Amino acid sequence: NAGVTQTPKFQVLKTGQSMTLQCAQDMNHNSMYWYRQDPGMGLRLIYYSASEGTTDKGEVPNGYNVSRLNKREFSLRLESAAPSQTSVYFCASSDGRQYNEQFFGPGTRLTVL
Amino acid sequence: AQSVTQLGSHVSVSEGALVLLRCNYSSSVPPYLFWYVQYPNQGLQLLLKYTSAATLVKGINGFEAEFKKSETSFHLTKPSAHMSDAAEYFCAVSDLSVYGSARQLTFGSGTQLTVLP
Repeated sequence: NAGVTQTPKFQVLKTGQSMTLQCAQDMNHNSMYWYRQDPGMGLRLIYYSASEGTTDKGEVPNGYNVSRLNKREFSLRLESAAPSQTSVYFCASSDGRQYNEQFFGPGTRLTVL
Repeated sequence: AQSVTQLGSHVSVSEGALVLLRCNYSSSVPPYLFWYVQYPNQGLQLLLKYTSAATLVKGINGFEAEFKKSETSFHLTKPSAHMSDAAEYFCAVSDLSVYGSARQLTFGSGTQLTVLP
């Protein structure tokens, strides 16, 4: 099992460019999540998908969109990147049941110039 | 709404010394609590979790945490620090989401543990 995989690992964008971060999990989990991690702020939830076919906003959704392509894949899109979106992005998945333990991918380090 | 406070953004201990990382939470319902560890340039890995079965929870790599409802705390300890324990540690609480009906995780801001030789 690969667990949760993310591509790319690193990305540099110019302000205004767009890109999509990809995430896939092979654990047959129902729920998937996108977080951003900034120094001193822990992880903040951007969007999540409780189950295939549903997506909901988290704490910091502005400037992002998501697509739950199928049960395995959950992508995060930046339509017009801004320097404030420079961060490390983590995808996570869980079975969605009461304990809600989440499994994390290795992260994507994004720099917006 | 739930929240998590980790006291001390940086903690330094000598190799072989006790590790104590503090976490206090607030939650409107009985919580599920987690400790995650993040090694440099990696994702988060679950250390241990409290799910109401026992107040003292043992995790991987010799870590344990005690749930104290009266103090709303879930501090992480390890009797003897090892150099390989150097990492960032995150406490998280799972509660009914303020953003929807599913349970979500709210993370603390993290504690960077340095182990001195």
